[in-house]
Amino acid sequence: AQKVTQAQTEISVVEKEDVTLDCVYETRDTTYYLFWYKQPPSGELVFLIRRNSFDEQNEISGRYSWNFQKSTSSFNFTITASQVVDSAVYFCALAGNNNAGNMLTFGGGTRLMVKP
Amino acid sequence: DADVTQTPRNRITKTGKRIMLECSQTKGHDRMYWYRQDPGLGLQLIYYSFDVKDINKGEISDGYSVSRQAQAKFSLSLESAIPNQTALYFCATSASKGPAGDEQFFGPGTRLTVL
Repeated sequence: AQKVTQAQTEISVVEKEDVTLDCVYETRDTTYYLFWYKQPPSGELVFLIRRNSFDEQNEISGRYSWNFQKSTSSFNFTITASQVVDSAVYFCALAGNNNAGNMLTFGGGTRLMVKP
Repeated sequence: DADVTQTPRNRITKTGKRIMLECSQTKGHDRMYWYRQDPGLGLQLIYYSFDVKDINKGEISDGYSVSRQAQAKFSLSLESAIPNQTALYFCATSASKGPAGDEQFFGPGTRLTVL
């Protein structure tokens, strides 16, 4: 069975602070894919990144960066110089290659509040 | 125009009523999914469909049924709604026919309240 744990249910920071959202996963699949989605207050889900299990290179996109470490089964997400518009719920998700339906297993989400 | 649309966006209904939530997509994807979101639990998969003739139960299918009327349409029904089905429901699509890595594209969600 697959499992994704986001231990931080809520984080509050002041604008311009850096913040890291943790994601720990469990899977028996040898090939798998990890995702981050953002859910702003308006409710829609916005895709941020996909990473496959063979690619452990860290990735940076503007103020966003992701640290994938297979040794600790973690896929953490860092926002540098946070802004109020970053306030949202962030979900980490996992899709194993052996599951028949491309089913995503989601973590419980981390609510990030960025205060001015 | 949005690639994945859901109707209605909000619905309030009473216990025991039959409710249908509809999802349409213009992405040309074969795979479609229905999820529900409860606070603190992330999203849980209700049903998924590989194509019009292939429908599968997800983690929490009890109390729900689906219909894949066409490649572009996937409806979720609650035959007899109950209050603990109050949640935010998302439809999603993906193009993947092989490995699981393709991105899923989500609709805007339907907020359902069962009184």
